[in-house]
Amino acid sequence: EAGVVQSPRYKIIEKKQPVAFWCNPISGHNTLYWYLQNLGQGPELLIRYENEEAVDDSQLPKDRFSAERLKGVDSTLKIQPAELGDSAVYLCASSLNRVETQYFGPGTRLLVL
Amino acid sequence: DAKTTQPTSMDCAEGRAANLPCNHSTISGNEYVYWYRQIHSQGPQYIIHGLKNNETNEMASLIITEDRKSSTLILPHATLRDTAVYYCIVSFTQGGSEKLVFGKGTKLTVNP
Repeated sequence: EAGVVQSPRYKIIEKKQPVAFWCNPISGHNTLYWYLQNLGQGPELLIRYENEEAVDDSQLPKDRFSAERLKGVDSTLKIQPAELGDSAVYLCASSLNRVETQYFGPGTRLLVL
Repeated sequence: DAKTTQPTSMDCAEGRAANLPCNHSTISGNEYVYWYRQIHSQGPQYIIHGLKNNETNEMASLIITEDRKSSTLILPHATLRDTAVYYCIVSFTQGGSEKLVFGKGTKLTVNP
């Protein structure tokens, strides 16, 4: 069974540019999560989707970050415009439902110059 | 949400058992203990979880004390590939959903 797929794996951009990350969850998983991981820290939840609905986005900086999961499967996380402090690893995870174990993708490592 | 306390780092000899401790003294009765690990440049990998009873799977064993205030993750025969950051997490329910709050974890180094 394929795991959570994320792309790109690495991204280097200049500050003020937009960037987007894509996630394909495990087949059949209704719940999808985006996490942010800064260097030396554990992942922090940004947003959680139940199917296509964002049910917990309290930690998402909405002035520059946005996310969508239009058909309840794949998801995209966008930053516009990117700032130097956004350099981090962006992780996607999925679970069968909101109370089941979360499985993580490999992450996208973003460097903002 | 219950906080966890883990040692910053630990070392283990290859082939020996690695015992990783975790304190979670404020855990509530319906909160699970989860363990994940993160190998360098990879996403966190689920290892095991439990509520009250000890659990074992193909990766590890989880020993939870009777008062549930602490637990130990046991890797019975550590290999070099087990070198990683190990996160002990107490999940809590918010809005009907299980939430994971990661700390900084324990950096386990398995030495040859």
